[in-house]
Amino acid sequence: DIQMTQSPSSLSASVGGRVTITCRASQSISSYLNWFQQKPGEAPNLLIYTTSTLQTGVPSRFTGSGSGTDFTLTISSLQPEDFATYYCQQSYSTPWTFGQATKVEI
Amino acid sequence: EVRLVQSGAEVKKPGESLKISCKGSAYTFTNYWIGWVRQMPGKGLEWMGIIYPGDSDTRYSPSFQGQVTISADKSISTAYLQWNSLKASDTAMYYCARQKERRFDYWGQGTLVTVSS
Repeated sequence: DIQMTQSPSSLSASVGGRVTITCRASQSISSYLNWFQQKPGEAPNLLIYTTSTLQTGVPSRFTGSGSGTDFTLTISSLQPEDFATYYCQQSYSTPWTFGQATKVEI
Repeated sequence: EVRLVQSGAEVKKPGESLKISCKGSAYTFTNYWIGWVRQMPGKGLEWMGIIYPGDSDTRYSPSFQGQVTISADKSISTAYLQWNSLKASDTAMYYCARQKERRFDYWGQGTLVTVSS
């Protein structure tokens, strides 16, 4: 299985601040990297797929970049509704695997 | 609007069997894979496996192969996740999700399974 290492596991930030989350794959996954947001008591929500494509309806303050083994999710200006847990996921090969999560707190 | 609606929460005893469901609507059910994802209490997301309802082609994660059965009934646009003998360690939230190309784009609301004696 491809291992996904996400960092940091948690971070504190302020409204209006900039946040960067990194995700590293144990082998090259080309651009098959997705990002999800999950709020307490809710299902995960797709934010970005194939490294940098924004899912319909997701605000443009979310951006993704990277290739091969190293990827980042950046939130350019944190809004109150962005405080949540974020997961990366590789879809290069089955079983698709997720990172361990990053909790973004105020 | 695409929707995946899952069956309700379950409380079971160890050794019991269980089948939970995921019903799709507002899209052609047979044209998209459906995946199942486990989330244990306070933990992360784990990909369990996927099924293509069009022909019931199924793939499992090695971690879940032999532990669960994924199936689908295309006539009623419903996918299933089944256990023959539950363990306390199966206690978790289980999500279904629609796979579009290489991503899960729509998710069900989740089914909480609690296994306790």
